[in-house]
Amino acid sequence: DVQMTQSPYNLAASPGESVSINCKASKSISKYLAWYQQKPGKANKLLIYDGSTLQSGIPSRFSGSGSGTDFTLTIRSLEPEDFGLYYCQQHNEYPFTFGSGTKLEIK
Amino acid sequence: EVQLVESGGGLVQPGRSLKLSCAASGFTFSNYYMAWVRQAPKKGLEWVATISTSGSRTYYPDSVKGRFTISRDNAKSSLYLQMNSLKSEDTATYYCARRGVMGITPWYFDYWGQGVMVTVSS
Repeated sequence: DVQMTQSPYNLAASPGESVSINCKASKSISKYLAWYQQKPGKANKLLIYDGSTLQSGIPSRFSGSGSGTDFTLTIRSLEPEDFGLYYCQQHNEYPFTFGSGTKLEIK
Repeated sequence: EVQLVESGGGLVQPGRSLKLSCAASGFTFSNYYMAWVRQAPKKGLEWVATISTSGSRTYYPDSVKGRFTISRDNAKSSLYLQMNSLKSEDTATYYCARRGVMGITPWYFDYWGQGVMVTVSS
């Protein structure tokens, strides 16, 4: 199975700042990585798939980059509603595995 | 608006069975692969099962293969997860999710329900 390792585990930032979350795969997954946002009481939200394709309706301040084994989710100009948990998931091969999550908190 | 609403969770003893349901609305259910993803308390997400549009093909990770069965009723726009021989490690929130359609390997999930809790304990 492809192991997905996210870093950092926790991240604190202020509104208006930019942050990056990293995801590393244990083997090459080409470009096939998705990013999700999880918030209490709300359905999980797909942000990005295929490494860098923005899901419809997601603000352009979210962007994804990377290929092979190393990927990054960048959020520019943080808004208050951006705080929460973020997960990466490889969608290249069975079984489809997730990272352990990054908690983005308000500083 | 896409809506996925899970039901059927609860407390169940180890070794027993439980069946989860997911009612879908806001899209043409029969056109999409559907899936279940779970999250143990304070843990990350784990993909559990996926089913093709017709129901003829199903996919599971080794952790649940042989114990869990995903199925669907397109006439009712409903997805199901039959869970047998439940173990304490199956304790989790179970999410119904719609598989994506864009790209070469669309094995990501573009819409999710809010989840239903399953607790396996004696």
